[in-house]
This record gives sequence, C-alpha cells and structure tokens, in this order.
Amino acid sequence: DGGITQSPKYLFRKEGQNVTLSCEQNLNHDAMYWYRQDPGQGLRLIYYSQIVNDFQKGDIAEGYSVSREKKESFPLTVTSAQKNPTAFYLCASIPGTGNVYGYTFGSGTRLTVV
Amino acid sequence: ILNVEQSPQSLHVQEGDSTNFTCSFPSSNFYALHWYRWETAKSPKALFVMTLNGDEKKKGRISATLNTKEGYSYLYIKGSQPEDSATYLCARTLGSNYQLIWGAGTKLIIKP
Repeated sequence: DGGITQSPKYLFRKEGQNVTLSCEQNLNHDAMYWYRQDPGQGLRLIYYSQIVNDFQKGDIAEGYSVSREKKESFPLTVTSAQKNPTAFYLCASIPGTGNVYGYTFGSGTRLTVV
Repeated sequence: ILNVEQSPQSLHVQEGDSTNFTCSFPSSNFYALHWYRWETAKSPKALFVMTLNGDEKKKGRISATLNTKEGYSYLYIKGSQPEDSATYLCARTLGSNYQLIWGAGTKLIIKP
C-alpha cells in the first residue's frame, strides 16, 4: 500500500543534542511538508519542499533543518538551537502544487526533551 | 488576520444524533478550504477539499458546505456513530500558495 512512513514513533532528546526524524513516501508525490503540533494549536509549518534538492522555510523554521536528496525522503533535523522541541511532528505530501489535493499524512513522531 | 478559527473546541454528541461544527476564515484571497479527520493514534485523513463558493460535498454521512464570501464552512455529521469520534481539522490556503493555515480542530466525542 502506498503511504507515508514516519519513524521513530517516539523520540527522546537530551539537551544540546541534534535528532533526525525520518519521513519516507512511496506515493510519487512531488511536494512534502513538515508540521509541528502543540496542544490547543493548529498545525504549524516548519519546512516544505516542492521538488528534489529544493526546500523552503515555513512559519517556524528556526532551530530545524531539512534535506530533499530523493523524491521519496524528507528528513527533519531538530537541532540544539530549537529551544522548545517537545511536540508532535507530522510529515505530509501532496501530488503537486496548486493545493486542490488533500494532503496525505504520516502517523507522526512525538519528540520529548529529557 | 490569517487565522482559521474552529468552533466549538470540543463537542459531546449522543450516538444517533446529528451534529455540525464551524470553520471560519478571512474571506480575502481565498483559494481552497480543506477538512480532515484525525482519529487518535492515527494520521489525519482528508475528507474534502472545496474551492468554489456554495460548494457542497458529501461522503457517506458526512457533508460540508462552503461560503467564501462570508468566510465560513460547516461540517455536518448525520446520525453520529462511535467511529465518528475524532478531531476534525480545517485549513485554508492563501491565494494559489500551497501552504495551509490550520485551525486548532474540533474534538468530537460520540457517547453510546
């Protein structure tokens, strides 16, 4: 079955540590997105990528980095510069731009700072 | 103001009853309105994407309407069932920009 796979499901980070969240899709979708969810708030966009080797900052990109070396993969690194990284992270994709397509989401990664 | 507002924040409905909730958004620069359903421990699933004023879409017992001039969309659930329990998210796009602005969701709990 086609879909988006996020791993790990749960991740614990120590202070000052960088961690990478994986997002892989086999849908042949062009565009991929990373969102962050905090309690009581809407999803907020961290980074997005429309094509391989290109990505753009979203609303809350500070303290995060991404890469898009392959169409199917869009990993997110939470760096030590992100002061409040504890949150639920969702990866999503759509076939192309123009946004009349519904997003396909992964099942998320819950990151906790310990 | 770019915010998408959803109301109510949470809703308890008796099984078998029908219900509806609201997504409000700024009417300027409208491109599309999305509805998603997010069950606990699962990934959000797209329900509807609507683009035209007056659009009505239906999927089984769930339907949605769109008023782009006044900036709101309603989601209706007819004859609620326990499996309808979920958080319902709406999001809008700005112009032709593919970024979505998300509401905080309406959490629906169906009481047996």
